[in-house]
Amino acid sequence: GAVVSQHPSWVICKSGTSVKIECRSLDFQATTMFWYRQFPKQSLMLMATSNEGSKATYEQGVEKDKFLINHASLTLSTLTVTSAHPEDSSFYICSARDGSKTVEKLFFGSGTQLSVL
Amino acid sequence: GENVEQHPSTLSVQEGDSAVIKCTYSDSASNYFPWYKQELGKRPQLIIDIRSNVGEKKDQRIAVTLNKTAKHFSLHITETQPEDSAVYFCAASSGGSNYKLTFGKGTLLTVNP
Repeated sequence: GAVVSQHPSWVICKSGTSVKIECRSLDFQATTMFWYRQFPKQSLMLMATSNEGSKATYEQGVEKDKFLINHASLTLSTLTVTSAHPEDSSFYICSARDGSKTVEKLFFGSGTQLSVL
Repeated sequence: GENVEQHPSTLSVQEGDSAVIKCTYSDSASNYFPWYKQELGKRPQLIIDIRSNVGEKKDQRIAVTLNKTAKHFSLHITETQPEDSAVYFCAASSGGSNYKLTFGKGTLLTVNP
């Protein structure tokens, strides 16, 4: 199956700093990538939909100025958590769809555990 | 928007028994229903999916059934094994250009040896 690589797998940062998370599709071109947030023992909550070459579409309640998404190429999307605070601590995970196929299958990255001190 | 309800939230079975997880969805336009298995701290893995033009799909010990009229679908795992222990998520997609998935809240399945 298709491979989605996500880095870093975990990050610890101080409050007020920014953190960038990368999501790469390794063997396919991902015209659409999705970013999720997952709290312990909870479901995946969609934060935003990232389309290559255009602005991301954010879900209701997600601050677009705090969670900056860039999908500059068909294989890379980045999520930057700006001015991170302890409440931003969470598991962030991306997923991607193969744009060359009509099937809806999503492939997930390995996730990033963010801890803000 | 789409709303997906999943039950039960936790399920404990003995090894060799069957496990059933049920989901309902609200958007009648939804046409794609995947199931994901997620082990602690790892990525969700697609285990089976079904489209709205099919009522049932089976892959070895795993099967999914879909009732479009009632807007519910279920995951069936037979002959459960300890390695089946994980959190299982159902999801629904109403298609469109983005194929956005809405997830259920998950079911923690524990298979006791």
